Amino acid sequence: SQKIEQNSEALNIQEGKTATLTCNYTNYSPAYLQWYRQDPGRGPVFLLLIRENEKEKRKERLKVTFDTTLKQSLFHITASQPADSATYLCAPSGTYKYIFGTGTRLKVLA
Amino acid sequence: KAGVTQTPRYLIKTRGQQVTLSCSPISGHRSVSWYQQTPGQGLQFLFEYFSETQRNKGNFPGRFSGRQFSNSRSEMNVSTLELGDSALYLCASSLDLAGYEQYFGPGTRLTVT
Repeated sequence: SQKIEQNSEALNIQEGKTATLTCNYTNYSPAYLQWYRQDPGRGPVFLLLIRENEKEKRKERLKVTFDTTLKQSLFHITASQPADSATYLCAPSGTYKYIFGTGTRLKVLA
Repeated sequence: KAGVTQTPRYLIKTRGQQVTLSCSPISGHRSVSWYQQTPGQGLQFLFEYFSETQRNKGNFPGRFSGRQFSNSRSEMNVSTLELGDSALYLCASSLDLAGYEQYFGPGTRLTVT
Protein backbone atom coordinates (compact mmCIF):
# COMPACT_ATOMS: atom_id res chain seq x y z
CA SER A 1 0.00 0.00 0.00
CA GLN A 2 1.03 3.61 -0.48
CA LYS A 3 3.21 4.96 2.27
CA ILE A 4 4.52 8.44 3.03
CA GLU A 5 7.29 9.17 5.50
CA GLN A 6 8.10 12.52 7.00
CA ASN A 7 10.41 13.19 9.93
CA SER A 8 8.18 12.43 12.88
CA GLU A 9 10.45 14.29 15.26
CA ALA A 10 10.29 18.03 15.55
CA LEU A 11 12.87 20.11 13.75
CA ASN A 12 14.32 23.05 15.67
CA ILE A 13 16.40 25.63 13.85
CA GLN A 14 17.72 29.11 14.52
CA GLU A 15 16.08 32.13 12.98
CA GLY A 16 17.71 33.07 9.69
CA LYS A 17 18.83 29.55 8.85
CA THR A 18 17.43 27.33 6.12
CA ALA A 19 15.02 24.63 7.20
CA THR A 20 14.95 21.47 5.10
CA LEU A 21 12.09 18.99 5.46
CA THR A 22 11.99 15.58 3.82
CA CYS A 23 9.12 13.59 2.34
CA ASN A 24 9.65 10.04 1.13
CA TYR A 25 6.99 7.92 -0.50
CA THR A 26 6.79 4.29 -1.54
CA ASN A 27 4.63 1.94 -3.59
CA TYR A 28 3.21 4.50 -5.99
CA SER A 29 4.18 7.09 -8.56
CA PRO A 30 2.47 10.42 -7.91
CA ALA A 31 1.92 12.77 -10.81
CA TYR A 32 2.39 15.74 -8.52
CA LEU A 33 3.26 16.54 -4.95
CA GLN A 34 1.90 19.19 -2.65
CA TRP A 35 3.10 20.80 0.54
CA TYR A 36 0.82 22.27 3.17
CA ARG A 37 1.32 24.17 6.38
CA GLN A 38 -0.86 23.49 9.40
CA ASP A 39 -1.10 25.48 12.60
CA PRO A 40 -2.58 23.91 15.76
CA GLY A 41 -6.37 23.57 15.61
CA ARG A 42 -6.59 24.89 12.05
CA GLY A 43 -7.00 23.37 8.62
CA PRO A 44 -3.93 22.86 6.41
CA VAL A 45 -2.98 25.73 4.11
CA PHE A 46 -1.74 25.00 0.61
CA LEU A 47 1.82 26.19 -0.08
CA LEU A 48 3.24 24.67 -3.25
CA LEU A 49 2.44 22.09 -5.90
CA ILE A 50 5.15 20.54 -8.06
CA ARG A 51 4.50 18.21 -10.98
CA GLU A 52 6.47 15.10 -11.90
CA ASN A 53 8.10 16.80 -14.89
CA GLU A 54 9.36 19.67 -12.72
CA LYS A 55 12.52 19.23 -10.71
CA GLU A 56 12.24 22.35 -8.61
CA LYS A 57 9.73 25.04 -7.79
CA ARG A 58 10.09 28.26 -5.83
CA LYS A 59 7.76 30.70 -4.18
CA GLU A 60 9.26 33.57 -2.22
CA ARG A 61 11.35 31.94 0.56
CA LEU A 62 10.07 28.45 -0.22
CA LYS A 63 11.66 25.90 -2.52
CA VAL A 64 10.49 22.38 -3.30
CA THR A 65 12.30 19.64 -5.19
CA PHE A 66 10.78 16.46 -6.54
CA ASP A 67 12.98 13.47 -7.34
CA THR A 68 10.85 10.74 -8.87
CA THR A 69 13.81 8.35 -9.00
CA LEU A 70 14.53 8.63 -5.29
CA LYS A 71 10.80 8.96 -4.55
CA GLN A 72 11.56 11.97 -2.43
CA SER A 73 10.68 15.62 -2.08
CA LEU A 74 12.64 18.22 -0.16
CA PHE A 75 11.00 21.36 1.17
CA HIS A 76 13.24 24.31 2.01
CA ILE A 77 12.45 27.51 3.89
CA THR A 78 15.25 30.03 3.56
CA ALA A 79 15.85 32.87 6.02
CA SER A 80 13.46 31.17 8.42
CA GLN A 81 11.44 33.23 10.89
CA PRO A 82 9.64 32.33 14.13
CA ALA A 83 6.37 32.83 12.22
CA ASP A 84 7.33 29.83 10.07
CA SER A 85 6.88 27.56 13.10
CA ALA A 86 4.15 25.09 12.20
CA THR A 87 3.61 21.52 11.05
CA TYR A 88 4.34 20.90 7.39
CA LEU A 89 2.53 18.14 5.52
CA CYS A 90 3.44 16.62 2.20
CA ALA A 91 0.91 15.00 -0.09
CA PRO A 92 2.23 13.05 -3.08
CA SER A 93 -0.81 13.00 -5.31
CA GLY A 94 -2.21 11.77 -8.57
CA THR A 95 -4.83 9.11 -8.76
CA TYR A 96 -4.60 9.05 -4.99
CA LYS A 97 -4.66 12.71 -4.08
CA TYR A 98 -5.96 12.03 -0.63
CA ILE A 99 -2.90 10.67 1.11
CA PHE A 100 -1.02 12.97 3.44
CA GLY A 101 2.10 12.43 5.44
CA THR A 102 1.80 12.83 9.21
CA GLY A 103 3.85 16.01 9.00
CA THR A 104 7.02 17.47 10.44
CA ARG A 105 6.75 20.01 13.22
CA LEU A 106 9.11 22.90 12.63
CA LYS A 107 10.10 25.33 15.37
CA VAL A 108 12.16 28.37 14.48
CA LEU A 109 13.98 29.75 17.49
CA ALA A 110 14.46 33.52 17.84
CA LYS B 1 -13.06 35.20 -2.86
CA ALA B 2 -14.48 33.62 0.28
CA GLY B 3 -12.70 30.55 1.61
CA VAL B 4 -14.09 27.18 2.59
CA THR B 5 -16.53 27.42 5.45
CA GLN B 6 -17.56 24.66 7.83
CA THR B 7 -20.33 24.57 10.37
CA PRO B 8 -20.52 24.06 13.22
CA ARG B 9 -17.01 24.73 14.45
CA TYR B 10 -17.42 22.78 17.67
CA LEU B 11 -19.76 19.98 18.62
CA ILE B 12 -20.22 17.77 21.65
CA LYS B 13 -22.27 14.60 21.27
CA THR B 14 -22.83 11.45 23.29
CA ARG B 15 -22.21 7.89 22.17
CA GLY B 16 -24.93 6.48 19.98
CA GLN B 17 -26.09 9.82 18.65
CA GLN B 18 -25.66 10.97 15.09
CA VAL B 19 -24.17 14.17 13.73
CA THR B 20 -24.26 16.16 10.48
CA LEU B 21 -21.48 18.48 9.47
CA SER B 22 -21.69 21.04 6.69
CA CYS B 23 -19.16 22.42 4.22
CA SER B 24 -19.41 25.24 1.68
CA PRO B 25 -16.58 25.13 -0.88
CA ILE B 26 -14.91 28.03 -2.61
CA SER B 27 -17.09 29.42 -5.37
CA GLY B 28 -16.37 27.59 -8.63
CA HIS B 29 -14.80 24.57 -6.97
CA ARG B 30 -16.54 21.37 -7.91
CA SER B 31 -14.70 18.82 -5.78
CA VAL B 32 -15.23 18.50 -2.06
CA SER B 33 -13.26 16.05 0.09
CA TRP B 34 -13.65 15.19 3.74
CA TYR B 35 -10.90 14.17 6.14
CA GLN B 36 -10.68 13.06 9.74
CA GLN B 37 -7.68 14.23 11.72
CA THR B 38 -6.60 12.76 15.03
CA PRO B 39 -3.27 13.14 16.84
CA GLY B 40 -2.38 9.50 16.37
CA GLN B 41 -3.51 8.94 12.78
CA GLY B 42 -2.95 12.26 11.08
CA LEU B 43 -5.16 13.22 8.15
CA GLN B 44 -7.30 10.32 7.00
CA PHE B 45 -9.36 10.58 3.82
CA LEU B 46 -13.07 9.89 4.19
CA PHE B 47 -14.60 10.55 0.77
CA GLU B 48 -14.72 12.92 -2.18
CA TYR B 49 -17.71 14.30 -4.01
CA PHE B 50 -17.80 15.78 -7.48
CA SER B 51 -20.92 16.84 -9.35
CA GLU B 52 -23.11 15.42 -6.59
CA THR B 53 -21.54 11.96 -6.93
CA GLN B 54 -19.20 10.21 -4.55
CA ARG B 55 -16.07 9.60 -6.62
CA ASN B 56 -13.68 8.14 -4.06
CA LYS B 57 -13.97 6.66 -0.63
CA GLY B 58 -11.50 6.00 2.14
CA ASN B 59 -11.35 3.12 4.54
CA PHE B 60 -14.05 4.10 7.01
CA PRO B 61 -17.12 2.16 8.16
CA GLY B 62 -20.54 2.72 6.66
CA ARG B 63 -21.52 4.87 9.64
CA PHE B 64 -19.74 7.67 7.82
CA SER B 65 -21.64 9.00 4.84
CA GLY B 66 -21.90 12.17 2.85
CA ARG B 67 -23.59 13.94 0.04
CA GLN B 68 -23.13 16.92 -2.22
CA PHE B 69 -25.79 19.30 -3.44
CA SER B 70 -26.15 20.95 -6.83
CA ASN B 71 -24.48 24.13 -5.52
CA SER B 72 -21.44 22.00 -4.51
CA ARG B 73 -22.15 22.39 -0.80
CA SER B 74 -21.54 19.13 1.02
CA GLU B 75 -22.59 17.44 4.21
CA MET B 76 -21.20 14.47 6.04
CA ASN B 77 -23.07 12.37 8.54
CA VAL B 78 -21.81 10.06 11.24
CA SER B 79 -24.35 7.74 12.79
CA THR B 80 -24.13 5.78 16.03
CA LEU B 81 -21.24 7.83 17.31
CA GLU B 82 -18.38 6.11 19.11
CA LEU B 83 -15.78 7.62 21.43
CA GLY B 84 -13.15 7.03 18.75
CA ASP B 85 -14.97 9.36 16.39
CA SER B 86 -13.75 12.33 18.41
CA ALA B 87 -11.59 14.25 15.96
CA LEU B 88 -11.17 17.34 13.84
CA TYR B 89 -13.20 16.91 10.65
CA LEU B 90 -11.86 18.88 7.73
CA CYS B 91 -13.45 19.68 4.44
CA ALA B 92 -11.35 20.63 1.41
CA SER B 93 -12.39 21.96 -1.97
CA SER B 94 -10.53 21.98 -5.25
CA LEU B 95 -11.27 22.97 -8.81
CA ASP B 96 -11.35 19.46 -10.16
CA LEU B 97 -10.79 15.84 -9.25
CA ALA B 98 -7.03 15.73 -9.72
CA GLY B 99 -4.06 17.93 -10.43
CA TYR B 100 -5.16 20.83 -8.30
CA GLU B 101 -4.38 21.98 -4.82
CA GLN B 102 -6.92 21.62 -2.06
CA TYR B 103 -8.21 24.44 0.09
CA PHE B 104 -9.20 23.41 3.57
CA GLY B 105 -11.82 24.82 5.86
CA PRO B 106 -11.20 25.54 9.54
CA GLY B 107 -12.66 22.19 10.55
CA THR B 108 -15.31 20.98 12.95
CA ARG B 109 -14.04 19.75 16.29
CA LEU B 110 -16.26 16.84 17.32
CA THR B 111 -16.09 15.50 20.84
CA VAL B 112 -17.98 12.31 21.67
CA THR B 113 -18.58 11.62 25.36
